[in-house]
Amino acid sequence: AQSVAQPEDQVNVAEGNPLTVKCTYSVSGNPYLFWYVQYPNRGLQFLLKYITGDNLVKGSYGFEAEFNKSQTSFHLKKPSALVSDSALYFCAVRGGGSYIPTFGRGTSLIVHP
Amino acid sequence: DAGVIQSPRHEVTEMGQEVTLRCKPISGHDYLFWYRQTMMRGLELLIYFNNNVPIDDSGMPEDRFSAKMPNASFSTLKIQPSEPRDSAVYFCASNPGGASYEQYFGPGTRLTVT
Repeated sequence: AQSVAQPEDQVNVAEGNPLTVKCTYSVSGNPYLFWYVQYPNRGLQFLLKYITGDNLVKGSYGFEAEFNKSQTSFHLKKPSALVSDSALYFCAVRGGGSYIPTFGRGTSLIVHP
Repeated sequence: DAGVIQSPRHEVTEMGQEVTLRCKPISGHDYLFWYRQTMMRGLELLIYFNNNVPIDDSGMPEDRFSAKMPNASFSTLKIQPSEPRDSAVYFCASNPGGASYEQYFGPGTRLTVT
């Protein structure tokens, strides 16, 4: 079985400060890891993914994520937050030959001006 | 490509009525998924299809829910009869196939059952 945990329901950060949204996973075999963002009244939108190779993955809108195999984590980061980054962020994992991703419950990111 | 298309975007209906949600996946995508999103339960996978064939419907909450995919470019999710607890946002997503591919989500249908 595969699972994802997003331990924080909400993350608050001031504009201009670095942000981190946490994600840990459990999967058999090699993981495929994804981050999605959902703006109000919109569908989920793909941000970035880790498949193999460099542990630091860069994605859309200046976001990046670091794959840490020993800690089974895939935290989403951005060096300088913008108010427009405020949204709901989902981590997802797929592994063990499954084509079906498991999504976390989501983390609400609020960036204060 | 226009992306995943869903209709209607909003649906308000009375308890007991039949509701049909529609989805057009991205051309060439072999997998189609239906999800439901609520505050209480987050994002739930209801059912998914591979090459128009339903593979896993274990997430469908009850027999009132049914889904079909008559061809590669169209799928429906039907609720009959609808109940207030069905109120949620329903998303359709498609995927080209292969574990490394991300999901492509539609804009969702916001269903309100009064």
